[in-house]
Amino acid sequence: QVQLVQSGAEVKQPGASVRVSCKTSGYTFSNFAVHWVRQAPGQSLEWMGWISTANGNKRYSEKFQGRITITRDTSASTAYMELSSLRSEDTAMYYCARDPTSADNYFDSWGQGTLVTVSS
Amino acid sequence: DIQMTQSPSTLSASVGDRVTITCRASQSFSTWLAWYQQKPGKAPKLLIYKASSLESGVPSRFSGSESGTEFTLTISSLQPDDFATYYCQQYNSYPFTFGPGTKVDIK
Repeated sequence: QVQLVQSGAEVKQPGASVRVSCKTSGYTFSNFAVHWVRQAPGQSLEWMGWISTANGNKRYSEKFQGRITITRDTSASTAYMELSSLRSEDTAMYYCARDPTSADNYFDSWGQGTLVTVSS
Repeated sequence: DIQMTQSPSTLSASVGDRVTITCRASQSFSTWLAWYQQKPGKAPKLLIYKASSLESGVPSRFSGSESGTEFTLTISSLQPDDFATYYCQQYNSYPFTFGPGTKVDIK
């Protein structure tokens, strides 16, 4: 079955960077785009960006432009999200999610989430 | 950016009740809206896409509709497993945005 398994929780100091991985299985990785969505404690969901797993094209929310990098390793069926210059407001659960058509931008399968805590 | 609002923010209901959640957009668009269910400590789960298409495996008591800039999620007969928070998401234009959520709890 379709699975997206994310890397474990991270604790980072302000100003540092974090890299979260999303390993997929149960389907052909390059056929479906991967998006990243985050959720601060007690808050709603916030879309961050996506990557075409077929050709590596990507698009980011302007809010994170300059701080976010999304990449993929097709040989490992894994997508990555790196966020730099972390601040306390970046403390959140980070999710990867699959676009079921690579053209629709809604999400039919999600990773379990990676908690990133930014604290000095 | 398209801002999404949801009403109510909290809804208290009993098993068997018909429940309706409304999502409104700050700009007009049609079709490109999804609904998700999220339980505490879990990732969201897709219920509805393209405003009214039921995701495979989702019970038929869930349905979606649209009218102008207003989108509705209806649960025809609330079941114990349905107590959760529900989010709408527009994917009409970048950046994709979510509503603030509607928490459905036990009356």
